[in-house]
Amino acid sequence: QQQVKQSPQSLIVQKGGISIINCAYENTAFDYFPWYQQFPGKGPALLIAIRPDVSEKKEGRFTISFNKSAKQFSLHIMDSQPGDSATYFCAAQDSGYALNFGKGTSLLVTP
Amino acid sequence: GAGVSQSPSNKVTEKGKDVELRCDPISGHTALYWYRQRLGQGLEFLIYFQGNSAPDKSGLPSDRFSAERTGESVSTLTIQRTQQEDSAVYLCASSLTGLSETQYFGPGTRLLVL
Repeated sequence: QQQVKQSPQSLIVQKGGISIINCAYENTAFDYFPWYQQFPGKGPALLIAIRPDVSEKKEGRFTISFNKSAKQFSLHIMDSQPGDSATYFCAAQDSGYALNFGKGTSLLVTP
Repeated sequence: GAGVSQSPSNKVTEKGKDVELRCDPISGHTALYWYRQRLGQGLEFLIYFQGNSAPDKSGLPSDRFSAERTGESVSTLTIQRTQQEDSAVYLCASSLTGLSETQYFGPGTRLLVL
């Protein structure tokens, strides 16, 4: 069963625009929510992560918004660039254990 | 230092054959994970090793799948009597400890079962 649901499946954004990817979960034991970025032929790499005691975390152009009551979190990519074109996975983790991944969002940023 | 490495990078095999996939974690990392990534899907947890503790095998899809780890170093994932549905990218990740949040992934082994 998919413990983390991610949308949209694919996304096309113009250069300079905002990319938004959403995820939802059910298991309230999850206490760590990372986003991974994956380029073709490569393994996923940690992009940014948040714990449920904060509602937002920003690192450069990347922001995670977290809504604990709704059990939802999202990734915002500001000023999207062609180099951001990749597949993005949200995930949720329970106490340092295995990651539960969403199905991924394929982002294409057009010039 | 070096990241997580995996070998082979690609493997083509015939249905019914056994395959072995290898993972070298980051030196000093005590936790090691195997995931499977099917085409267009998210990563699916397979197995977790933490130090000398018994591995968590709860994600293995069938008894054709097994994995070993030598101490806190190399791990091998074995798939016996491969089936076409085993075709996927098999990813290995390691983290400093079992309580560490950041998992570092290798490039994966792309397995194709004909």
